[in-house]
Amino acid sequence: SQTIHQWPATLVQPVGSPLSLECTVEGTSNPNLYWYRQAAGRGLQLLFYSVGIGQISSEVPQNLSASRPQDRQFILSSKKLLLSDSGFYLCAWSGTSTKAFFGQGTRLTVV
Amino acid sequence: AQSVTQPDIHITVSEGASLELRCNYSYGATPYLFWYVQSPGQGLQLLLKYFSGDTLVQGIKGFEAEFKRSQSSFNLRKPSVHWSDAAEYFCAVGAMDYGGSQGNLIFGKGTKLSVKP
Repeated sequence: SQTIHQWPATLVQPVGSPLSLECTVEGTSNPNLYWYRQAAGRGLQLLFYSVGIGQISSEVPQNLSASRPQDRQFILSSKKLLLSDSGFYLCAWSGTSTKAFFGQGTRLTVV
Repeated sequence: AQSVTQPDIHITVSEGASLELRCNYSYGATPYLFWYVQSPGQGLQLLLKYFSGDTLVQGIKGFEAEFKRSQSSFNLRKPSVHWSDAAEYFCAVGAMDYGGSQGNLIFGKGTKLSVKP
């Protein structure tokens, strides 16, 4: 069966420090992968999605970047965190005709 | 334990018929409730959300949902379904911590909607 792992669950980082959140999927190949963020007072916002290795689409301009070095690995990064990067980050995957499956999420607090 | 239940895995309705997708939640704090839609191979799109105030919430694409605290439910409705509404629908619950920091989201397992011509 397919599973998705996202870590860490909670992270506290100082302003200006780098960020790396990792998401891996097991039990499927060539998934579509997504990074979302929940903004204050709003629902989930799609940040990045990927349909294959090295293929990243960015939905909104921001201080973050994403990479997909392997088929089932999706990484969210930042070189220098801002206070406004605090939030809840959710990784998800789907097939071309299947529903989304979600990771447990990472609560990031930038201090 | 905190959870979201969408009891219907798959629903089929005729085009033009009314629709109701069920969502029940179990959450200790004041819930913030969301409905999302995902078309095949696409990301999630927010249909509507409930934070406070009027318990009947209007969303995009003609959808609405009603928050019923006594029943711990947040069912999604549409009076007349269109063929383009065929997709997967997810209910989610979350809480915003005091001070405005971000809360975690818990998703239901989704309901797949098929529309017959």
